Amino acid sequence: GAVVSQHPSRVICKSGTSVKIECRSLDFQATTMFWYRQFPKKSLMLMATSNEGSKATYEQGVEKDKFLINHASLTLSTLTVTSAHPEDSSFYICSASGGLNTEAFFGQGTRLTVV
Amino acid sequence: QKEVEQNSGPLSVPEGAIASLNCTYSDRGSQSFFWYRQYSGKSPELIMFIYSNGDKEDGRFTAQLNKASQYVSLLIRDSQPSDSATYLCARRGNQGGKLIFGQGTELSVKP
Repeated sequence: GAVVSQHPSRVICKSGTSVKIECRSLDFQATTMFWYRQFPKKSLMLMATSNEGSKATYEQGVEKDKFLINHASLTLSTLTVTSAHPEDSSFYICSASGGLNTEAFFGQGTRLTVV
Repeated sequence: QKEVEQNSGPLSVPEGAIASLNCTYSDRGSQSFFWYRQYSGKSPELIMFIYSNGDKEDGRFTAQLNKASQYVSLLIRDSQPSDSATYLCARRGNQGGKLIFGQGTELSVKP
């Protein structure tokens, strides 16, 4: 399958700081990228959908000013968790797709711990 | 009603048996469907992708899609202990092409 690279894989940050997570599609053009959050033993919760060159569409209950998503190119999307708090600690995963009826591949995920 | 529903399990099958995983969805506008496998602490791995009615086979895996019944399933033949994982069903539709997941089914293959 196609390769989606997500960095960093783990990050520990202090409360009040911001953290940027990168998601890159290495061998295909990702017109759409999805950002998910997953709690232990729970399913993936969609946070937002971003299409290249457009503003991200956030799911209900997700604060767009707290979780800033940028999808400036067909190979890169970023998620910035601003003013992080301990309750933002979670496993964040991105997924990239080339189009509506094409496959969607996941990055390795980022385990964020806010102390 | 949840957009994508799966039995949470756990589903336990003996090694070598067929594991059958089921998924239903509520939005008739759903166009494509995915099965992912997720090991604990790891990100999901795509196993099957299907968007036409009928069966799609890839090695030991067969996905079955029935849009009239809003049902998609995954069969795993000759199950192996290494298949033990959580299997996630997902759909994409016209509403912004969102990729929505079910809660996952935990599969345990006993040696």
